[in-house]
Amino acid sequence: GAVVSQHPSWVICKSGTSVKIECRSLDFQATTMFWYRQFPKQSLMLMATSNEGSKATYEQGVEKDKFLINHASLTLSTLTVTSAHPEDSSFYICSNEGRSGRGSTDTQYFGPGTRLTVL
Amino acid sequence: SQKIEQNSEALNIQEGKTATLTCNYTNYSPAYLQWYRQDPGRGPVFLLLIRENEKEKRKERLKVTFDTTLKQSLFHITASQPADSATYLCALNAKGNKLVFGAGTILRVKS
Repeated sequence: GAVVSQHPSWVICKSGTSVKIECRSLDFQATTMFWYRQFPKQSLMLMATSNEGSKATYEQGVEKDKFLINHASLTLSTLTVTSAHPEDSSFYICSNEGRSGRGSTDTQYFGPGTRLTVL
Repeated sequence: SQKIEQNSEALNIQEGKTATLTCNYTNYSPAYLQWYRQDPGRGPVFLLLIRENEKEKRKERLKVTFDTTLKQSLFHITASQPADSATYLCALNAKGNKLVFGAGTILRVKS
């Protein structure tokens, strides 16, 4: 399957600061990437769909001005949590669609996740 | 309302036995359903995909069934091993081809 990396793997920040999370598609070009958030013992919740060269599509209830997504190249999407607050503490995971030709195009390949803790 | 339900209680089984996990959904008409494995502090890893016109799919020790009448998928791990211990998530495609996930079931295989 496709290889997706995320950086950093964990981050601790003070309330009010901004944090940038990078998601890289390492072995193929991804025109579409997805950002999820997962709270403890809960399911992954889709936050937004990141489209290369255009604006991201946000899910209902997700503030686009708070969670800034940039997909400037076919291998990199970034999520910036602006003015982070303790309630933003969560596990953030990105994924891309499996369009490598090696498997189903309906499959998503996930990054290892980023644990954000806001103090 | 739309729901995806997986057993919230952990499933504890003995090594060598078959583990069976359940995924039920309501008010979805998915073209396919997927199963993922997630280890603590890690992203999900794709395991199997089954389409609406398929009844069963197998991959090594894994087997998935999909009953669109019952709106249910069963995920089986035969000859389970302690290394199979993880959280297993089911996911289905919703409107706009987005993936919607269940909360997952924790599997613990004891030696």
